Amino acid sequence: KQEVTQIPAALSVPEGENLVLNCSFTDSAIYNLQWFRQDPGKGLTSLLLIQSSQREQTSGRLNASLDKSSGRSTLYIAASQPGDSATYLCAVPNTGGFKTIFGAGTRLFVKA
Amino acid sequence: DTEVTQTPKHLVMGMTNKKSLKCEQHMGHRAMYWYKQKAKKPPELMFVYSYEKLSINESVPSRFSPECPNSSLLNLHLHALQPEDSALYLCASSRTGAPDTQYFGPGTRLTVL
Repeated sequence: KQEVTQIPAALSVPEGENLVLNCSFTDSAIYNLQWFRQDPGKGLTSLLLIQSSQREQTSGRLNASLDKSSGRSTLYIAASQPGDSATYLCAVPNTGGFKTIFGAGTRLFVKA
Repeated sequence: DTEVTQTPKHLVMGMTNKKSLKCEQHMGHRAMYWYKQKAKKPPELMFVYSYEKLSINESVPSRFSPECPNSSLLNLHLHALQPEDSALYLCASSRTGAPDTQYFGPGTRLTVL
């Protein structure tokens, strides 16, 4: 059974810092891995999707890496801004199915 | 257009009421999902429709009744809910199944009194 864990659960950093959010999964036979952002009380916004054949994806100040063999993904945020404050969730589809398994998320607060 | 819309944004209902949540997408996606999310928890899958057919029901109580009238529209009918059903209800869609990028709507904040 696939399980997804995110560390840390919460993070508070001053503006301008580079930071890394971690995601681990127990079953390395994943099709892809997706990172989402969620603002309080809002829906999820897809940030990056990494296919199993890829090692990383970049979008602006965001870079996500994937190491299937070790069951890990990291989301790197460069030069953090107060507007980056949100909960970041990683998710993988379960084996062979329609079900998406989410991590519990990392709540990020960037102080001005 | 990569938008999933949900109505209403907020809903307050009594335990004897019947109400419906609506979700719509015009991206030509053939998979649509309902999730329930409690505060500070990740979304929990409730239902998946694939090509307008119910493919997954995650043992959801019958007081929640999904409906997919066509490929663009997904409804969630609510009846005799309990206060513990209060949550954010999220709709999502994807081109086909879960391995594809899922696009989420803004959610409906449901409060059951």
